[in-house]
Amino acid sequence: EPEVTQTPSHQVTQMGQEVILRCVPISNHLYFYWYRQILGQKVEFLVSFYNNEISEKSEIFDDQFSVERPDGSNFTLKIRSTKLEDSAMYFCASTTKLGPNQPQHFGDGTRLSIL
Amino acid sequence: RKEVEQDPGPFNVPEGATVAFNCTYSNSASQSFFWYRQDCRKEPKLLMSVYSSGNEDGRFTAQLNRASQYISLLIRDSKLSDSATYLCVVFRFSGNTPLVFGKGTRLSVIA
Repeated sequence: EPEVTQTPSHQVTQMGQEVILRCVPISNHLYFYWYRQILGQKVEFLVSFYNNEISEKSEIFDDQFSVERPDGSNFTLKIRSTKLEDSAMYFCASTTKLGPNQPQHFGDGTRLSIL
Repeated sequence: RKEVEQDPGPFNVPEGATVAFNCTYSNSASQSFFWYRQDCRKEPKLLMSVYSSGNEDGRFTAQLNRASQYISLLIRDSKLSDSATYLCVVFRFSGNTPLVFGKGTRLSVIA
């Protein structure tokens, strides 16, 4: 079964540094998402992406964050000037089309630790 | 009021027991509903979609009551491998947060 893959599995970074989290969505999927989950808390939506632009973004997704699809297969999340509170699991997800009953398939996540 | 609320548990049940989880959602514009399963420090994995008529997949039965804005998941003949956190997830087209997760209900099935 096709999978969403994410790299790295664990990223440790000094506060203030920039990080790039990478995702390869399922090949025929068109809609892409980033979520985060702070330890012990619920999964939170960050941003959705379709047709090379952001569709929706939550209040969490401020100017510190950006996404892009540089080469038609990778989907990246960049976090500039990282803060301690950015430490979390970051999940990428994709779906083939937008609509009711179109579940999203999640990658196995990147654990981001800010020191 | 949280948009998706679940009893956090934990539910500790013996193997073979039947266990039910409840979830309520506050936004009546919500259009689709799912149960995901999440193992410790792993990604959410789709367990099943929830349809208005109710649906069943093996030992799992999901029900939706739109009038009460209530979703349930029933697990019959629980197995050790069912131990996980069960996430109630709500989708809506509009708004800036299309997919909203509950915090999850922790289940431990004990031998």
